[in-house]
Amino acid sequence: DQQVKQNSPSLSVQEGRISILNCDYTNSMFDYFLWYKKYPAEGPTFLISISSIKDKNEDGRFTVFLNKSAKHLSLHIVPSQPGDSAVYFCAATADRGSTLGRLYFGRGTQLTVWP
Amino acid sequence: EAEVAQSPRYKITEKSQAVAFWCDPISGHATLYWYRQILGQGPELLVQFQDESVVDDSQLPKDRFSAERLKGVDSTLKIQPAELGDSAMYLCASSAIRGYEQYFGPGTRLTVT
Repeated sequence: DQQVKQNSPSLSVQEGRISILNCDYTNSMFDYFLWYKKYPAEGPTFLISISSIKDKNEDGRFTVFLNKSAKHLSLHIVPSQPGDSAVYFCAATADRGSTLGRLYFGRGTQLTVWP
Repeated sequence: EAEVAQSPRYKITEKSQAVAFWCDPISGHATLYWYRQILGQGPELLVQFQDESVVDDSQLPKDRFSAERLKGVDSTLKIQPAELGDSAMYLCASSAIRGYEQYFGPGTRLTVT
C-alpha cells in the first residue's frame, strides 16, 4: 500500500517559469517530509525538508508547502532551469516507534525544463 | 564535500549466485540505511543500522538477504542466492541523526541473469 503518492509521473515546464510538484500521503503519523532529486545513474540528492509544525520552508529557488489537513505537500521551483530536469521524489517519515528513520518514498515525478 | 561511497557501481550476476555490496557512510554518521529501488518506483528500506545494531529490518527478505555493520562504520549487504527479481538499484544512505535528512550514495545497479 503506497503511503506516499506522486500522481503525476511527469511534468514539463519552460525555463524561467514555476515548476510545481505535488505529493499526497495517507499516514497521519508522518511528521517530517523531504524532497529528493535524482539524476540517472546517481543516488537521490537531498533538496529540502519540512517539519509538520511548519507549513512552509524556503531555500533559494525551492519552497516546500505543507497542508496537513489535506495531507498534501508541494515543491515549488522558481525560476526553473534546465539543470533542474531530473526525477523528484517526495518522502515522509514518522518520528516515533520502531520505524523511526524509515523514509517512505513516492514513485517520483520526472521534471523536464525546456529552454 | 563528504559523500557516501558504494561499490561496485554495477554488478551482473547469474541466478543462484552470491553477491555483495559495500557502503562507507559519511564520517560520523551513526545511522546507516540500505534501500532497494526497482525501476519506476521509489526506494524502499531494507535495513537500518544505528551504530553496529540493526534497528529495523522488517522489510529485509531474511531467507536470502543479510546485512552487517560490524564496527559501526562501513556496511555490507549480501544476497545469496540471487534471484531474477532482485535486479534493482541498491542504495546506501547515512544520517547524523536518525529520522532526519539522509544522504545517499551513487548506488549499485544489480542485474541478475
